[in-house]
Amino acid sequence: DGGITQSPKYLFRKEGQNVTLSCEQNLNHDAMYWYRQDPGQGLRLIYYSQIVNDFQKGDIAEGYSVSREKKESFPLTVTSAQKNPTAFYLCASSIGLAANTGELFFGEGSRLTVL
Amino acid sequence: AQTVTQSQPEMSVQEAETVTLSCTYDTSESDYYLFWYKQPPSRQMILVIRQEAYKQQNATENRFSVNFQKAAKSFSLKISDSQLGDAAMYFCAYRRRPGGGADGLTFGKGTHLIIQP
Repeated sequence: DGGITQSPKYLFRKEGQNVTLSCEQNLNHDAMYWYRQDPGQGLRLIYYSQIVNDFQKGDIAEGYSVSREKKESFPLTVTSAQKNPTAFYLCASSIGLAANTGELFFGEGSRLTVL
Repeated sequence: AQTVTQSQPEMSVQEAETVTLSCTYDTSESDYYLFWYKQPPSRQMILVIRQEAYKQQNATENRFSVNFQKAAKSFSLKISDSQLGDAAMYFCAYRRRPGGGADGLTFGKGTHLIIQP
């Protein structure tokens, strides 16, 4: 089945540690995204990538980093510089710009808790 | 920058009745997409319905329909014959058409829909 796989589903980290969230898609989509969800805040865009080896900052990129070495993969690193990292993180993908219907397809999310 | 506003943090409806969720947005673009996504307790985001701004006809998907008022920048979702499985957070979202600039969806803060049996 085609889809987006995020791992781990739950992650605990101590303050001062970096942590990497995995996102893999087998939909052959060109574009991939990372969103952060907090209660009462909706979803906010962290980073996005429209092609391999290229990515752009979203609205709340500070304290996060990404890479896009392969079309299928878009890992997100939450660094120790992120002041309030406890949140639910959602990865998404969409077809490339040329054939875009606008829709984003989402993974099941990763819950990060900083102890 | 585009903004999306959902003014109803929570709505409640009796099973089998109809409920309307409100959404307004602000943009200077003329061509864009609007979406309603559903997020049940599993937290998986599910697309409910999509509207393209250049289409005057309101989108419909089974029991779900929208009232798209482009001039008023309003995009409400109507759920008919509400079912227990409709209970979820509902997010309104905006996306400009491809062509450059910031990408991705801009989301509202969500409406928590409760279905009373």
